[in-house]
Amino acid sequence: QQPVQSPQAVILREGEDAVINCSSSKALYSVHWYRQKHGEAPVFLMILLKGGEQKGHEKISASFNEKKQQSSLYLTASQLSYSGTYFCGTEMGGYQKVTFGIGTKLQVIP
Amino acid sequence: EAGVAQSPRYKIIEKRQSVAFWCNPISGHATLYWYQQILGQGPKLLIQFQNNGVVDDSQLPKDRFSAERLKGVDSTLKIQPAKLEDSAVYLCASSTGVNTEAFFGQGTRLTVV
Repeated sequence: QQPVQSPQAVILREGEDAVINCSSSKALYSVHWYRQKHGEAPVFLMILLKGGEQKGHEKISASFNEKKQQSSLYLTASQLSYSGTYFCGTEMGGYQKVTFGIGTKLQVIP
Repeated sequence: EAGVAQSPRYKIIEKRQSVAFWCNPISGHATLYWYQQILGQGPKLLIQFQNNGVVDDSQLPKDRFSAERLKGVDSTLKIQPAKLEDSAVYLCASSTGVNTEAFFGQGTRLTVV
């Protein structure tokens, strides 16, 4: 079951904040976040496990609400280097098959 | 630390031809993944290996795609015969195990004409 990401695209000015959401219709065990720049391989940001934890990675953090089967990625004080497509991947436990959404294209402009 | 190596980087073939992709994961990584990424979409898992055993190949079109991981290290993905809709970037990734960071290679961009 492919997770649904929103928004599909967003344009920010440097210094602005953004939230990217990821939701599933199935119960989740973990949520994986990756960023992919044009023509490059996806790069790992973070994994959130069942338990509703929140993680941080410099100015990028994420939360996981297992009751709502949702995760949100928070980007604060965005930088030009944050531009790219953000993918969430969901895994339902039992085995390590991660299903990715179609991505959220984020562009940060000066 | 060397990353995930893939070759070739680009390949153009005619439909009905065959093609093979090679992947060398990060040393010590037991889990290896092959993903297909069509333009504008997220990576789609084709097959996942744990050492040299298959964990999941539910989305691998087995009538034309095959993959192997010999000795639990290198892996090859083959398409025979190719169709136009196989045009995509094929990404190989590896990780140490369950729910850990996956490291992706640069991918092979396949164009079927």
